[in-house]
Amino acid sequence: NAGVMQNPRHLVRRRGQEARLRCSPMKGHSHVYWYRQLPEEGLKFMVYLQKENIIDESGMPKERFSAEFPKEGPSILRIQQVVRGDSAAYFCASSPLPAGGLKDTQYFGPGTRLTVL
Amino acid sequence: DAKTTQPNSMESNEEEPVHLPCNHSTISGTDYIHWYRQLPSQGPEYVIHGLTSNVNNRMASLAIAEDRKSSTLILHRATLRDAAVYYCILRSYSGTYKYIFGTGTRLKVLA
Repeated sequence: NAGVMQNPRHLVRRRGQEARLRCSPMKGHSHVYWYRQLPEEGLKFMVYLQKENIIDESGMPKERFSAEFPKEGPSILRIQQVVRGDSAAYFCASSPLPAGGLKDTQYFGPGTRLTVL
Repeated sequence: DAKTTQPNSMESNEEEPVHLPCNHSTISGTDYIHWYRQLPSQGPEYVIHGLTSNVNNRMASLAIAEDRKSSTLILHRATLRDAAVYYCILRSYSGTYKYIFGTGTRLKVLA
């Protein structure tokens, strides 16, 4: 059973360009989470999605950031008009169960390292 | 949001037990305590989690204080492959259940 896949692993963008980060959850997982990690810091929650629904986007910046998890295909984190402060590692995690259960465990992908020049 | 506090770094000798402490004095009654570890250039990997009682699995043990304001992750015999950043995380409810990561403890294992 393949783990959580993220691509690209490394992405370089110039200021003002768009960044699209993809996440394919583990087979059978319909819950996806996105996190951002700045150097030497812990991960910060951004958004929690279920197939075709955004459940919680309280950690997403109000502008330029959006996320989706369509019925078919990977989850996409989209950053428009990137700025240098967006440079970070972005991790996706998936879970077979809704957040909050006794067996609530998230399986993380290897991350996408975004560099904004 | 409830927060966790961990030492920035710790060292251990190979084949010896390691006790990684975590303080979470503002924990609420429904917050689960999760531990994940992150190897270099990888995503976090689940280690163990618990609510009130001590927990054991094949990777580690989790000891939770009676008042739940602190916990300790115990690696029974550290190996070089255990060198990683260990995160003590509260799964906390705020609209939905979220993982609140701290800054983690970087564990160095000496051969």
